[in-house]
Amino acid sequence: QVQLVESGGGVVQPGRSLRLSCAASGFTFSNYGMHWVRQAPGKGLEWVAVISYDGINKYYADSVKGRFTISRDNSKNTLYLQMNSLRAEDTAVYYCAKDSYYYDSSGYYPSYYYYYMDVWGKGTTVTVSS
Amino acid sequence: EIVLTQSPGTLSLSPGERATLSCRASQSVSSSYLAWYQQKPGQAPRILIYGASSRATGIPDRFSGSGSGTDFTLTISRLEPEDFAVYYCQQYGGSPYTFGQGTKLEIK
Repeated sequence: QVQLVESGGGVVQPGRSLRLSCAASGFTFSNYGMHWVRQAPGKGLEWVAVISYDGINKYYADSVKGRFTISRDNSKNTLYLQMNSLRAEDTAVYYCAKDSYYYDSSGYYPSYYYYYMDVWGKGTTVTVSS
Repeated sequence: EIVLTQSPGTLSLSPGERATLSCRASQSVSSSYLAWYQQKPGQAPRILIYGASSRATGIPDRFSGSGSGTDFTLTISRLEPEDFAVYYCQQYGGSPYTFGQGTKLEIK
């Protein structure tokens, strides 16, 4: 079945770095964009970043722009989030989520499209604290 | 950036009652690219509604979505015990793909 499994969370000091991973299975990873969404303790959902199916197009929330980098390795069916210069306010559960827009490998797409998130992982917890 | 404001913050109802949740956008959401998610404690969110009014696979027909432009509504026709959760709206008309702050649906 379609599954996303995040890993790499932990406790890290302010200013340090951490890399999250999201292993995908049960679908053709390279045909879909992927998102990271986070949720601070007791708070709502915050969209963090998205990457296109081919890894070329990326968007970030202003709160993480310049500090976080989203990437993917389609040969390994894995999504990443490199988090640098971490702050206390980055403390959250980080979810990876599959975008629902399907890119046919043989199709021509003049633009990148992002739709709703139809599959979510269980999340990995990042705590930024000294 | 499109800001989504959900109301009410908390809704207290009993099983069998009808729930109406609102999501208002600070500017028009293009092509009704508005989704609703359900989140239960300790779980990841789950997609309920996309395109403002289309139910996702496996979602019971007691869940319905409506609206366009800046005003959207999620309706649960007859509440079941498993429906008590937090509900989020999200727009995917353009980056940043913002969420509302959520509505907590609690048992009265």
